[in-house]
Amino acid sequence: GAVVSQHPSRVICKSGTSVKIECRSLDFQATTMFWYRQFPKQSLMLMATSNEGSKATYEQGVEKDKFLINHASLTLSTLTVTSAHPEDSSFYICSAPGGEAKNIQYFGAGTRLSVL
Amino acid sequence: GQNIDQPTEMTATEGAIVQINCTYQTSGFNGLFWYQQHAGEAPTFLSYNVLDGLEEKGRFSSFLSRSKGYSYLLLKELQMKDSASYLCAVRAPGGYNKLIFGAGTRLAVHP
Repeated sequence: GAVVSQHPSRVICKSGTSVKIECRSLDFQATTMFWYRQFPKQSLMLMATSNEGSKATYEQGVEKDKFLINHASLTLSTLTVTSAHPEDSSFYICSAPGGEAKNIQYFGAGTRLSVL
Repeated sequence: GQNIDQPTEMTATEGAIVQINCTYQTSGFNGLFWYQQHAGEAPTFLSYNVLDGLEEKGRFSSFLSRSKGYSYLLLKELQMKDSASYLCAVRAPGGYNKLIFGAGTRLAVHP
């Protein structure tokens, strides 16, 4: 299957700082990538759709100024959590559609963000 | 609206068979996916159904009935390593491959 790399795997930061998370498709191109957030024992909540060459599409209730998304190339999308606060602590996961028919979402390993 | 329901938790015995059900009511349908997720890890793809019927892949099978808005994931010959959350997800129509996830079913396999 296709490989999606996500970095870093874990971040601990102070309140008020910004954190950047990278998502790369390693062996395929992805014009679209997705960013999810997952709280403990809960399912994945889609935050936004990252589009190469255009603005990201955010889900209802997600602050676009808080969660900056940049799809810099056909293999890289970044999520920046700006001015992080303890309530932003969560597991963030990216995905990209891959496979022959681009039907299957392949997920990165996730980033666990802890804001102190 | 979008609504995907699956049981919160299930338990089963090693070597047994377990069926995890998923019902969905979504504004549009373009395929149903099952993913496995171990605690603290990313989901891994298990199966994809877009037409009615049963798809078998080794110890795992997935069934879909579009008219009933229903799917199930069948796990045979359960192993301890199958203890995980199983996520049902529906793909919305359109070109973006957007997935809508259910809350997931936590399966605990006991010896």
